[in-house]
Amino acid sequence: NAGVMQNPRHLVRRRGQEARLRCSPMKGHSHVYWYRQLPEEGLKFMVYLQKENIIDESGMPKERFSAEFPKEGPSILRIQQVVRGDSAAYFCASSPQGGVGNQPQHFGDGTRLSIL
Amino acid sequence: GESVGLHLPTLSVQEGDNSIINCAYSNSASDYFIWYKQESGKGPQFIIDIRSNMDKRQGQRVTVLLNKTVKHLSLQIAATQPGDSAVYFCAEGGVDGYNKLIFGAGTRLAVHP
Repeated sequence: NAGVMQNPRHLVRRRGQEARLRCSPMKGHSHVYWYRQLPEEGLKFMVYLQKENIIDESGMPKERFSAEFPKEGPSILRIQQVVRGDSAAYFCASSPQGGVGNQPQHFGDGTRLSIL
Repeated sequence: GESVGLHLPTLSVQEGDNSIINCAYSNSASDYFIWYKQESGKGPQFIIDIRSNMDKRQGQRVTVLLNKTVKHLSLQIAATQPGDSAVYFCAEGGVDGYNKLIFGAGTRLAVHP
């Protein structure tokens, strides 16, 4: 079974450009979560989505960041006008249901975003 | 703010010894706890989870203990192997009724032959 697939694995952008990170959840999973990780730190929750719905975006900056999970295709995390502080590893996780403890979240191997 | 923290940032053990990684949480409303292992360049890998209505759960070579009285969580790894070397994260969830996870800072486990 294919796990959570994220691409690209590495992404380099110059300040002011846009970054698009893609996440395909595990087969049968309709719940997607995005997290951000700085070096030597834990993951920080950003946003939780179901198909065509944003359930919780409380961890996502109000400016420049957006996320979607369309009916067809992968979930997209989009960062506009990137700044140096956006450099981090961005992880996507998926689960078959959103309820507590129904199934643990399974993570992809992340996208390392570097801003020049 | 973050409610999950770890007591030891780095743990060094000899191969074959048992390892214990500790974690403190501050939100008594958390209902679900989970341990992940993260190797360099990889995403977090699920190890074991536990609900708040349990105090112990065992897996293959791993045991998670939950002490709700002192809000403490631990991961025990039996007969630690070199392949166990990684960063281990505890996370809590369930406050909002779903799987939004709050991660601790992580403990690096180094296994020496």
